[in-house]
Amino acid sequence: EDQVTQSPEALRLQEGESSSLNCSYTVSGLRGLFWYRQDPGKGPEFLFTLYSAGEEKEKERLKATLTKKESFLHITAPKPEDSATYLCAVQDLNRDDKIIFGKGTRLHILP
Amino acid sequence: EPEVTQTPSHQVTQMGQEVILRCVPISNHLYFYWYRQILGQKVEFLVSFYNNEISEKSEIFDDQFSVERPDGSNFTLKIRSTKLEDSAMYFCASNKGWNQPQHFGDGTRLSIL
Repeated sequence: EDQVTQSPEALRLQEGESSSLNCSYTVSGLRGLFWYRQDPGKGPEFLFTLYSAGEEKEKERLKATLTKKESFLHITAPKPEDSATYLCAVQDLNRDDKIIFGKGTRLHILP
Repeated sequence: EPEVTQTPSHQVTQMGQEVILRCVPISNHLYFYWYRQILGQKVEFLVSFYNNEISEKSEIFDDQFSVERPDGSNFTLKIRSTKLEDSAMYFCASNKGWNQPQHFGDGTRLSIL
């Protein structure tokens, strides 16, 4: 059964303090791994798609990386506006349309 | 930037009543989805829809649920006889192709009394 596990569940950082969020996944074959940002009361906002091990994507202070078993979302010198829940999701190669989400990491950046 | 829009933002309904949640996907997208998120839990897949038919559904999507694309722009989720456990945020999503990122609306919060 496909599974996505994210850690830590919650993370508090000082502004400017860099860190990484982890997403471990189990799928029969990976079609794609997705990172989303979710603000309270809002829907998931798409950030990145990663398709193969070794791939990296960057956007402002965020960088996503992918291995065969996990993905990391690195946050460099975060600002308070980066506070949100970050969701990881995977799509299986067996042509399923759905994506399977992890529970997310709640990130809080203190000014 | 085009976005997925959902109405209403909050729906309160008595148990046993029918409810229809509405979505307008991004205009050039071909695949449409419904997900739900019970408070404090994961976002869960309900159903995907392509070419005017359901392409996949989860165990949650039982006979009480149905989806429809009544015209060229709307995509609806109907729950025939609501239960207390249907209380959740319901998200609509769409994408251009099955291997493209899905884009989500801001959801409808469904409260069953």
